[in-house]
Amino acid sequence: AQSVTQLGSHVSVSEGALVLLRCNYSSSVPPYLFWYVQYPNQGLQLLLKYTTGATLVKGINGFEAEFKKSETSFHLTKPSAHMSDAAEYFCAVSRASKIIFGSGTRLSIRP
Amino acid sequence: KAGVTQTPRYLIKTRGQQVTLSCSPISGHRSVSWYQQTPGQGLQFLFEYFSETQRNKGNFPGRFSGRQFSNSRSEMNVSTLELGDSALYLCASRPPGQGTNTEAFFGQGTRLTVV
Repeated sequence: AQSVTQLGSHVSVSEGALVLLRCNYSSSVPPYLFWYVQYPNQGLQLLLKYTTGATLVKGINGFEAEFKKSETSFHLTKPSAHMSDAAEYFCAVSRASKIIFGSGTRLSIRP
Repeated sequence: KAGVTQTPRYLIKTRGQQVTLSCSPISGHRSVSWYQQTPGQGLQFLFEYFSETQRNKGNFPGRFSGRQFSNSRSEMNVSTLELGDSALYLCASRPPGQGTNTEAFFGQGTRLTVV
């Protein structure tokens, strides 16, 4: 069965520091992976997606993620955090016609 | 192009009542899915409709039902509301012609509070 595990329910970084949010997937077939962001009282916004092809995926707002099959990982990074990045981030995998989400990581940015 | 629209944004209902939530997908999208988000259970898949047919269903009781109309708009109904049904209900639509593994585009959600 396909699923994702997000390591760390809360991550805090200083403004300007590297952001690293961890996600591992379990899948017996090549997965379709996504990162979504959710701001307070809002829906989910797609940051980026991996389907096939290039393993380094660039998304919106300066985020990117690298698909590593050998590590079954799809970690999300951003070189320099901004205060506006404070939100909850969800790693997700597509299975048939539904999307399975990780438990989420809340990102806080320290001034 | 307009995004996924959910109405209403907020609802307060009493235990035992029923509620209907509405979702209008992005124009041209025929797949509509519903998710429940709670602090304890996270994001859970409710069901998915495609061309007016339920294509997939999550593990929720029969009190939760849905339907899709010919214009792809969807409604979700919850009958005999329980306190535990308090949640953010999210609707998502998917673009056509790319199988079932495409990304989903989400609406702002309907915040349901059951008192």
